[in-house]
Amino acid sequence: EDKVVQSPLSLVVHEGDTVTLNCSYEVTNFRSLLWYKQEKKAPTFLFMLTSSGIEKKSGRLSSILDKKELFSILNITATQTGDSAVYLCAGMNYGGSQGNLIFGKGTKLSVKP
Amino acid sequence: EAQVTQNPRYLITVTGKKLTVTCSQNMNHEYMSWYRQDPGLGLRQIYYSMNVEVTDKGDVPEGYKVSRKEKRNFPLILESPSPNQTSLYFCASSLRQFRNQPQHFGDGTRLSIL
Repeated sequence: EDKVVQSPLSLVVHEGDTVTLNCSYEVTNFRSLLWYKQEKKAPTFLFMLTSSGIEKKSGRLSSILDKKELFSILNITATQTGDSAVYLCAGMNYGGSQGNLIFGKGTKLSVKP
Repeated sequence: EAQVTQNPRYLITVTGKKLTVTCSQNMNHEYMSWYRQDPGLGLRQIYYSMNVEVTDKGDVPEGYKVSRKEKRNFPLILESPSPNQTSLYFCASSLRQFRNQPQHFGDGTRLSIL
């Protein structure tokens, strides 16, 4: 059975700290690994990672995929209170009629002023 | 503005009373999907649709129906809702899955079945 496991489940840091969120996956016919940020409502897309070892960066956020170890990390540097959210990791499979997302349970990040 | 729109945003209803949650996207996306999100269980896929008139079951389809008569709309139907369907529901769409596109989510519909 496909699964995506995120750790930690929750994390409390102070503004300015750097955090690393973890995501491991077992996805049949794996295609890509996606990260989403969910505040009060819809998950919003952050990154899609398809190739191993290539870091994707957007401002203070960055992410990288290791397809050998079936693992991805999301880094946030110089955290701000606006980074408080649930961060979701999802594996995408492909082939046949698939191409769906298998989500982890999320990491709840709280950034204290 | 490109968006996925769900209605209603909130609904409280009673067991057995049929309801429909609408989902509409204005991005000409081919792929659409419904998820439910429950504490401790994360987002789980209910149904998805690869194109008009093509739908398929996700991980938790029991008790739900969908239809895709038009590209932009993908309603979720609960014929006889039960309390275990109380949840937060998200509709999502993407351009075309085999172009490896991320899914874009609606703002969610919180359903409470009494």
